[in-house]
Amino acid sequence: KAGVTQTPRYLIKTRGQQVTLSCSPISGHRSVSWYQQTPGQGLQFLFEYFSETQRNKGNFPGRFSGRQFSNSRSEMNVSTLELGDSALYLCASSLDPGPSNYGYTFGSGTRLTVV
Amino acid sequence: DQQVKQNSPSLSVQEGRISILNCDYTNSMFDYFLWYKKYPAEGPTFLISISSIKDKNEDGRFTVFLNKSAKHLSLHIVPSQPGDSAVYFCAASPQGGSEKLVFGKGTKLTVNP
Repeated sequence: KAGVTQTPRYLIKTRGQQVTLSCSPISGHRSVSWYQQTPGQGLQFLFEYFSETQRNKGNFPGRFSGRQFSNSRSEMNVSTLELGDSALYLCASSLDPGPSNYGYTFGSGTRLTVV
Repeated sequence: DQQVKQNSPSLSVQEGRISILNCDYTNSMFDYFLWYKKYPAEGPTFLISISSIKDKNEDGRFTVFLNKSAKHLSLHIVPSQPGDSAVYFCAASPQGGSEKLVFGKGTKLTVNP
């Protein structure tokens, strides 16, 4: 079955712009989580959605937001981009909230570069 | 405050030998632990997990050991293969894995032929 699909794979934006990233989870998975990976901080949790509701939120400013649609697809949005937002943004899906016994399944990520 | 620490940024081993990757955690609420492997330009791939009610879990060449009193876990890969060369992330979750993952910063493993 198809894995977690993230689009686009690469993105270059200018400071001050906004960006929307998309994630399609594995068919049947109802939970989607987002993580930011940077060289200095590793993977950091952004938020988790389940049944169109934000279930958990990490320690990121309000410029970072997300949503989940009825088909479980999710989008995250970053407004007023800063240079420090340059990172690999990873989406992970699971059947239910949390990694459980099978771990999350991650997508390949969207590489965002802010210039 | 880093709750999950992987103190070795890199590790190099010979093919066929054992690779041991270490991870320490500080939050006693963590009771579910996972290891992920990540190749460049790909997302992390789930390897193996362990619940706090166990002290060992094995899956083929991969074994994870958990020492709750020391708040320490390790991943053993035996025998190591060149294809195992990747960045390995340790992650922890409270409440039996029903909550978000807290990741370490990763250890880059290089297995030399």
